[in-house]
Amino acid sequence: NAGVMQNPRHLVRRRGQEARLRCSPMKGHSHVYWYRQLPEEGLKFMVYLQKENIIDESGMPKERFSAEFPKEGPSILRIQQVVRGDSAAYFCASSPLGIGETQYFGPGTRLLVL
Amino acid sequence: GQQLNQSPQSMFIQEGEDVSMNCTSSSIFNTWLWYKQDPGEGPVLLIALYKAGELTSNGRLTAQFGITRKDSFLNISASIPSDVGIYFCAGQFKRGNLIFGKGTKLSVKP
Repeated sequence: NAGVMQNPRHLVRRRGQEARLRCSPMKGHSHVYWYRQLPEEGLKFMVYLQKENIIDESGMPKERFSAEFPKEGPSILRIQQVVRGDSAAYFCASSPLGIGETQYFGPGTRLLVL
Repeated sequence: GQQLNQSPQSMFIQEGEDVSMNCTSSSIFNTWLWYKQDPGEGPVLLIALYKAGELTSNGRLTAQFGITRKDSFLNISASIPSDVGIYFCAGQFKRGNLIFGKGTKLSVKP
């Protein structure tokens, strides 16, 4: 049973470009969470999605960041007009039923903004 | 926002030693979880705790959900070299997202 898949594993962008991070949840999981991790820090919650719905986006910056989880295909975290402060590791986690269920993490995407 | 205080921040271990780390919070959680993260990888779930007072083991790892629901500890017995890495506690409210501590970095004594 394949785990949570994320791609790309590493992404380099110049300031002002767009970054698209993809997450394919574990088979049978319909709930996805995105977290951001700065160096030497713990993970910080960004957004929680179910298929075609955003359940909780309280941790997501109001500008430049958006997330979706379409009916078909992976979940996408999109960062427009990236700035150096966006450099971080972005992790996706999935769970089968959502609230109260154990979350399983992917390997992460390391974003570097030059 | 909510914060978890995880300690110690770092520790050095010698093979065979027992290791202990803990997390405290100002908030009451429904679930406590412990993850391990290796360099360049995502967190891997070690133990999940669902009830106050619960004591759960996973091999050489033992974790407890504090009675007050505001704390948890993780013990590793008879440590081995592959135990090195960063250990994170995480608390979960009913709504789903996890609140993470800043991690405890385990290294091998030189």
